[in-house]
Amino acid sequence: QLQLQESGPGLVKPSETLSLTCTVSGDSISRSSYYWGWIRQPPGKGLDWIGSLYYSGSTYYNPSLKSRVTISADTSKNQLSLKLNSVTAADTAVYYCARIKRAAAGLWGQGTLVTVSS
Amino acid sequence: QSALTQPASVSRSPGQSITISCSGTSSDVGGYNYVSWYQQHPGKAPKLMIYDVSDRPSGVSHRFSGSKSGNTASLTISGLQAEDEADYYCSSYTSSSTHVVFGGGTKLTVL
Repeated sequence: QLQLQESGPGLVKPSETLSLTCTVSGDSISRSSYYWGWIRQPPGKGLDWIGSLYYSGSTYYNPSLKSRVTISADTSKNQLSLKLNSVTAADTAVYYCARIKRAAAGLWGQGTLVTVSS
Repeated sequence: QSALTQPASVSRSPGQSITISCSGTSSDVGGYNYVSWYQQHPGKAPKLMIYDVSDRPSGVSHRFSGSKSGNTASLTISGLQAEDEADYYCSSYTSSSTHVVFGGGTKLTVL
């Protein structure tokens, strides 16, 4: 069964790097036609697009985060990763990974809450 | 501020219909037929309800439909049911380097 599962620390200190992994089961992140992306949602707020990666390695980032974010893939482990550096309290959110086709996220992980606090 | 504009909240009675708008520009909604709509219940991940402006994924009720006119897309829900009460988000492909942009979300209350 196709599933996405986010994992990583639930608490990150200000100015440090947030690192999350999305493990994909039931599909290959190397398969063409799909993008794989990260989306976040601050508590009580709307969805915020972080960025996406195509199987070829091309990446696309939200301009507001571009200087701090890196999305990459480990095809041997079928995992997608997110790194966001120099975090502040404003980066506190539920982080979702998703499978995307024609800009539609048809499959989502359950999400993981990351809190930025000292 | 979100790239796409949605009303913050709407409300209707059960059995009625509702249309939620999503306004963008020619660089996103108006320029491509890649508009999607998501439903999100509290504490849950968003669920894709409409893609490619008006297509429904398998399993999504026919009460949900999508359309587009110019730079504005719309989601219509007919025969409202209590379970439709949720937050709804639109998104679109964008020609900017971002790839995808979201609307700010609309809270639907079924009275």
